[in-house]
Amino acid sequence: QLQLQESGPGLVKPSETLSLTCSVSGDSIKSSSYYWGWIRQPPGKGLEWIGSIYYRGSTYSDPSLKSRVTISVDTSKNQFSLKLSSVTAADTAFYYCAREGRGVTILLDYWGQGTLVTVSS
Amino acid sequence: SYELTQPPSVSVSPGQTASISCSGDKLGDKYACWYQQKPGQSPVLVIYQDTKRPSGIPERFSGSNSGNTATLTISGTQAMDEADYSCQAWDSSTVVFGGGTRLTVL
Repeated sequence: QLQLQESGPGLVKPSETLSLTCSVSGDSIKSSSYYWGWIRQPPGKGLEWIGSIYYRGSTYSDPSLKSRVTISVDTSKNQFSLKLSSVTAADTAFYYCAREGRGVTILLDYWGQGTLVTVSS
Repeated sequence: SYELTQPPSVSVSPGQTASISCSGDKLGDKYACWYQQKPGQSPVLVIYQDTKRPSGIPERFSGSNSGNTATLTISGTQAMDEADYSCQAWDSSTVVFGGGTRLTVL
């Protein structure tokens, strides 16, 4: 059974960089046809896709966040990571990692439990 | 950028049929997915490629997509179906979510 688990600081200061890691178990991150994505959800609000990465390093990201987002992958650890720079209070959200299938459509079929990141001084 | 619009809330009586809409420009030309999210939990994929159900999703969940609107239908709605539902599509290789609809079963 595929499992994803987010980890990282729950509190980040304004203007600093948010860093999260997603550990994948139950399958190899090198599985073909799958990207590995990040999605966030401000408390009480809707889902917002941040971006995703293929194990070979190709990435997609939301245009509104692209200038601040870096997504990387470590196949030796079966992990992928998110860095979001210059954070503000608006970046306070639950952050989820997920497996992203890309074929005739794009779907997110396995999700981590999510982690709350608060941006505050 | 591409946008998907959902009603903020929908109410349904137990045993009745609930329909949740998702609107976007020429959405019928794309594939839509639907996610269920209960309080304090991660989203769960309930419909993909407009009409398909992942393994383990009850048959009472169905989907359609035509024109500018995708619809999630829950037949014989149960109390356990009370949750937030979000539609999702993609445009120019980026993933887009609707704002979410709270389904209340009362």
